[in-house]
Amino acid sequence: GESVGLHLPTLSVQEGDNSIINCAYSNSASDYFIWYKQESGKGPQFIIDIRSNMDKRQGQRVTVLLNKTVKHLSLQIAATQPGDSAVYFCAEIKNFNKFYFGSGTKLNVKP
Amino acid sequence: NAGVTQTPKFQVLKTGQSMTLQCAQDMNHNSMYWYRQDPGMGLRLIYYSASEGTTDKGEVPNGYNVSRLNKREFSLRLESAAPSQTSVYFCASSEQGASGNEQFFGPGTRLTVL
Repeated sequence: GESVGLHLPTLSVQEGDNSIINCAYSNSASDYFIWYKQESGKGPQFIIDIRSNMDKRQGQRVTVLLNKTVKHLSLQIAATQPGDSAVYFCAEIKNFNKFYFGSGTKLNVKP
Repeated sequence: NAGVTQTPKFQVLKTGQSMTLQCAQDMNHNSMYWYRQDPGMGLRLIYYSASEGTTDKGEVPNGYNVSRLNKREFSLRLESAAPSQTSVYFCASSEQGASGNEQFFGPGTRLTVL
């Protein structure tokens, strides 16, 4: 079966540093990938997505990199802030309407 | 716009009881989804509806039924609740656009089955 997983369950960074959250996927028949942020007690919130025919996409303070050779996805957050503390999920999307989520990485930002 | 709304926010059931979780979206999206999230885990798809009038099973459909009442509403029913169904349930909606297919999530329903 398919699986979308994360290398590190918890990541602690100092405020102002850059954060890198990683995700591995096992099935290459995907349309695109999405990164979500979930704060405690809330539903997931869209951060950024990337189509499977792209290698890199940048947003505001965030960059997503896709390496299809090793089936690896990463989310880079520049100048991490306390408000970035949350659980981050990657999701693999197939047929544009089937979403498969990873187990998540908890990001702790230390002041 | 309220986005995606869910009711109730919290619910406690006894084993064997039934209940329906309600979800509505006001973004005119075609696709709607029901997920469950267990502690320390990602979301698992229970059912989804690609458009009004259609529903399909996801990863973990057993013990659940759904109804796509109209384009706005998608309900999830537990006919005979079991402790294994204790979880947080999220409803989501999405629409495929030029930039992708962003899902919008509701605030969740926290269900405990005793």
